[in-house]
Amino acid sequence: GAGVSQSPRYKVAKRGQDVALRCDPISGHVSLFWYQQALGQGPEFLTYFQNEAQLDKSGLPSDRFFAERPEGSVSTLKIQRTQQEDSAVYLCASSLVGTVQLYGYTFGSGTRLTVV
Amino acid sequence: LAKTTQPISMDSYEGQEVNITCSHNNIATNDYITWYQQFPSQGPRFIIQGYKTKVTNEVASLFIPADRKSSTLSLPRVSLSDTAVYYCLVGDIGRTSGTYKYIFGTGTRLKVLA
Repeated sequence: GAGVSQSPRYKVAKRGQDVALRCDPISGHVSLFWYQQALGQGPEFLTYFQNEAQLDKSGLPSDRFFAERPEGSVSTLKIQRTQQEDSAVYLCASSLVGTVQLYGYTFGSGTRLTVV
Repeated sequence: LAKTTQPISMDSYEGQEVNITCSHNNIATNDYITWYQQFPSQGPRFIIQGYKTKVTNEVASLFIPADRKSSTLSLPRVSLSDTAVYYCLVGDIGRTSGTYKYIFGTGTRLKVLA
């Protein structure tokens, strides 16, 4: 597609519920990132994929957070047993190798998760 | 990873030139400087990136002094639609592997007034 697509756009979950957030990167983009953005703050890195390989998951806040990209395209961020502090916007970004210096990363519009 | 410092907020009027300065005293030799713009309910959008001296594109200019310990994003003749949060990021952008993870600060909230 023309841009990075994320779904759902909004998600309300009851505390303790599991959620799955989807990211469709731009076709052919090798690199894929997940970021978490709390209200009024800058995005914080969660994890990075190069194709299907998860090369960096140092930003995942706990073992309740899990991300996958099994075929090197679509990625899913899963949060188990959601807690109120998980409420945030979850952003996905992708890029082509070799073009970062020209175009940076392309971000999606995010999924706003509210845990009640 | 180099830490950046930028003003929390700025106000400007339509038609004025806006300069947002970012400090990055610990910038490393391989680090590039990148600026992103973020509107409410949207993801950040790449504006400009540079290594040294001056870079200009159709949207903005980026000025980087010789010591590279700071940089200035210049937005010419801003309009109301330029009201957004602007982030300065510094790091090795992994030009061949694209593996660099951006570290965002809190950004500068620019408000353009009529």
